[in-house]
Amino acid sequence: GENVEQHPSTLSVQEGDSAVIKCTYSDSASNYFPWYKQELGKGPQLIIDIRSNVGEKKDQRIAVTLNKTAKHFSLHITETQPEDSAVYFCAASATGGGNKLTFGTGTQLKVEL
Amino acid sequence: GAVVSQHPSWVICKSGTSVKIECRSLDFQATTMFWYRQFPKQSLMLMATSNEGSKATYEQGVEKDKFLINHASLTLSTLTVTSAHPEDSSFYICSATTSGRSEQYFGPGTRLTVT
Repeated sequence: GENVEQHPSTLSVQEGDSAVIKCTYSDSASNYFPWYKQELGKGPQLIIDIRSNVGEKKDQRIAVTLNKTAKHFSLHITETQPEDSAVYFCAASATGGGNKLTFGTGTQLKVEL
Repeated sequence: GAVVSQHPSWVICKSGTSVKIECRSLDFQATTMFWYRQFPKQSLMLMATSNEGSKATYEQGVEKDKFLINHASLTLSTLTVTSAHPEDSSFYICSATTSGRSEQYFGPGTRLTVT
């Protein structure tokens, strides 16, 4: 089955700096890679996703890059703000696998003033 | 759009009793719903996949007789934890998607505490 690794497990940045979270996956059949933000006591919120036919996608301060050859994808947050503090999860799924998501282990992002 | 709700948001029950959690898609038809369990400071673990009108498919290691899942309509799925024990205490989260789409939209979660 799919295995998704995520690094780092914790990340502390100063407000205004950039944050980068990296994930690798094992199943070459995976073709959908979403990123979720989870605040304490709440469900995950989809913040951006990318499909295997695209190398990069950007939405305001958030961007995701995908390297299919190396089987890794990354989340980039620029101009970080205190409200960006949360746990971020990457995930991967394959259309042929019933779209079941395999999640990474999560990254606790703390944006300090 | 793509709003998923869960009820209750938190529940406390006594050991040996059963508790039902509802998951609803409010503004779209959810042909498939997923149920996850999340322990503190851990990732989400998929428990089962349910397709409307079909029996749920459980992940390896998840007891289907203990975690009963029903997906009787395109907007509602329920998870019943039967004969709950303290080790079942966890954060249960559902997600929903629609046919042909990859995106899963998550509910706010239900905190279950078994005393």
